[in-house]
Amino acid sequence: NAGVMQNPRHLVRRRGQEARLRCSPMKGHSHVYWYRQLPEEGLKFMVYLQKENIIDESGMPKERFSAEFPKEGPSILRIQQVVRGDSAAYFCASSPFDSYEQYFGPGTRLTVT
Amino acid sequence: AQSVAQPEDQVNVAEGNPLTVKCTYSVSGNPYLFWYVQYPNRGLQFLLKYITGDNLVKGSYGFEAEFNKSQTSFHLKKPSALVSDSALYFCAVSVNTDKLIFGTGTRLQVFP
Repeated sequence: NAGVMQNPRHLVRRRGQEARLRCSPMKGHSHVYWYRQLPEEGLKFMVYLQKENIIDESGMPKERFSAEFPKEGPSILRIQQVVRGDSAAYFCASSPFDSYEQYFGPGTRLTVT
Repeated sequence: AQSVAQPEDQVNVAEGNPLTVKCTYSVSGNPYLFWYVQYPNRGLQFLLKYITGDNLVKGSYGFEAEFNKSQTSFHLKKPSALVSDSALYFCAVSVNTDKLIFGTGTRLQVFP
């Protein structure tokens, strides 16, 4: 059973470009969470999704950030018009229905130049 | 608001000695508590969780943690540290099957 997959592992974007981060949850998991880790800091919750639904986006910046988890395919975290402050590691986690345990992917390290 | 505090940025311990990494929490409601470990440039690996039941929870790699409701603490412990335990450790709390609130992390350094 493959773990949570994230790609790309490393992403470099110039200021103003768009970044798309992908997350494939573990097989059988219907819940996806995105977290951001700034250098030397802990993980901060961004958004919680189920298939075709955003359940909690209280941690998402109001502008430029969006997330989706379509019926088919991976979850996507999209950052438009990136700025240097978006440079961070973005982690995806998944869990099965009604479970407390979240399984984390290896992360995508975004660098904005 | 829910919060987690890890008061020590770094813990140093000699190999073979017991280790403790501290965590306190603040939640309204019954807490679900977790410990994760992060190795350099890697994702988080689950160590153990407390949901309900026995206050002493045993997890992966010989780690355990004790839930103390009166002190609102969930300290991570191991009787005998290994050099390979050196990593970044995160405590986290949730009050439902929802988002995790993480502490700022404690870097554990085990010296040979």
